[in-house]
Amino acid sequence: AAGVIQSPRHLIKEKRETATLKCYPIPRHDTVYWYQQGPGQDPQFLISFYEKMQSDKGSIPDRFSAQQFSDYHSELNMSSLELGDSALYFCASSMGQGNTEAFFGQGTRLTVV
Amino acid sequence: AQSVAQPEDQVNVAEGNPLTVKCTYSVSGNPYLFWYVQYPNRGLQFLLKYITGDNLVKGSYGFEAEFNKSQTSFHLKKPSALVSDSALYFCAVRGPPTYNNNDMRFGAGTRLTVKP
Repeated sequence: AAGVIQSPRHLIKEKRETATLKCYPIPRHDTVYWYQQGPGQDPQFLISFYEKMQSDKGSIPDRFSAQQFSDYHSELNMSSLELGDSALYFCASSMGQGNTEAFFGQGTRLTVV
Repeated sequence: AQSVAQPEDQVNVAEGNPLTVKCTYSVSGNPYLFWYVQYPNRGLQFLLKYITGDNLVKGSYGFEAEFNKSQTSFHLKKPSALVSDSALYFCAVRGPPTYNNNDMRFGAGTRLTVKP
């Protein structure tokens, strides 16, 4: 079965650079979520989209922005990168919201040097 | 806002023994509760969820969880642990659907180690 696809899998950037992470949800899923997981930490909710509109916002820094496109894929744009942004970034998708489970991608490991 | 707590950082069990990974929640209204498992360098995999109905929920790989409203708990259980069950387990909660309520809150995770 098709899963959530994230690209790239690994990314190394220098401080103050920008990065773009991409997420392709499971076909027919209309909701996308972004999470950040630091080393040894639980996933922290960043932002979500339902039907291409932002549906909820968590602890996403102002330096980050995201959007969901007409084909339901989503991109997380990160600017002025800091060392503390080094983490595993997960995208998840679901069909609808509320009581539906989210399916996670493999994650993008971002390292800021 | 909704939250979950996993009181144990680490759970160790012997293969073949029953296992329990604990989770308690805090939410206004009826919760939507989830368990996910994470293997090294992998994304979170959905195990099971409680939405409504029977308090005992059965999920993937022989896992089950019991919803207890009076104790606000949703403990993950398995009658007979396997070495391959060793992983990081996350409990998660969503509140009842309201506008702008997609925030799935995760617990800190419990590392389960099953020894042969």
